Amino acid sequence: GAVVSQHPSWVICKSGTSVKIECRSLDFQATTMFWYRQFPKQSLMLMATSNEGSKATYEQGVEKDKFLINHASLTLSTLTVTSAHPEDSSFYICSAIKLWHNTEAFFGQGTRLTVV
Amino acid sequence: GIQVEQSPPDLILQEGANSTLRCNFSDSVNNLQWFHQNPWGQLINLFYIPSGTKQNGRLSATTVATERYSLLYISSSQTTDSGVYFCAVETSYDKVIFGPGTSLSVIP
Repeated sequence: GAVVSQHPSWVICKSGTSVKIECRSLDFQATTMFWYRQFPKQSLMLMATSNEGSKATYEQGVEKDKFLINHASLTLSTLTVTSAHPEDSSFYICSAIKLWHNTEAFFGQGTRLTVV
Repeated sequence: GIQVEQSPPDLILQEGANSTLRCNFSDSVNNLQWFHQNPWGQLINLFYIPSGTKQNGRLSATTVATERYSLLYISSSQTTDSGVYFCAVETSYDKVIFGPGTSLSVIP
């Protein structure tokens, strides 16, 4: 199998607070994890690529200081949305690629963030 | 960067009908995947298909890498096939980039 779990599935937070989203590969080790953002009726936009033990690589236009990514182990990556604003409200999805395998990506169930 | 296009953007089918979804990409890719996003947002892996043809039940996919396109065939469509279908390509920079998607509605 290849199960990727995200937590929480949904979260509501107040403006100015920070929210942490976890992405775990449950039955495999992941060399690389990706974080995406999806607005309603739109496609997935790549935010950043993270490799275990390395700094994340952010896509152009994504604020590194606002979206903090930590990839502390081969099974866990976290995305922290700092000082959240209503415009950060979105669906955030992570994916992972198996270590020593092909590059097929497996996705978590996503986290719906609402900032009020 | 690489451009990924999908057609048609929207599709309405009568239950039992067949359809073909297309994905075009502007540059060479390392691999290509097809996904189905259900109404709850979960992405379901359909095919990992850098080239050639694969079949899984009522679904099949063909990628012609040299001509930079891939096709997803859905036969005998069912209402549970409704949702958004994405193709995603892995670029030479090890990034996975998504197309805009095809929104499919299958009506009874």
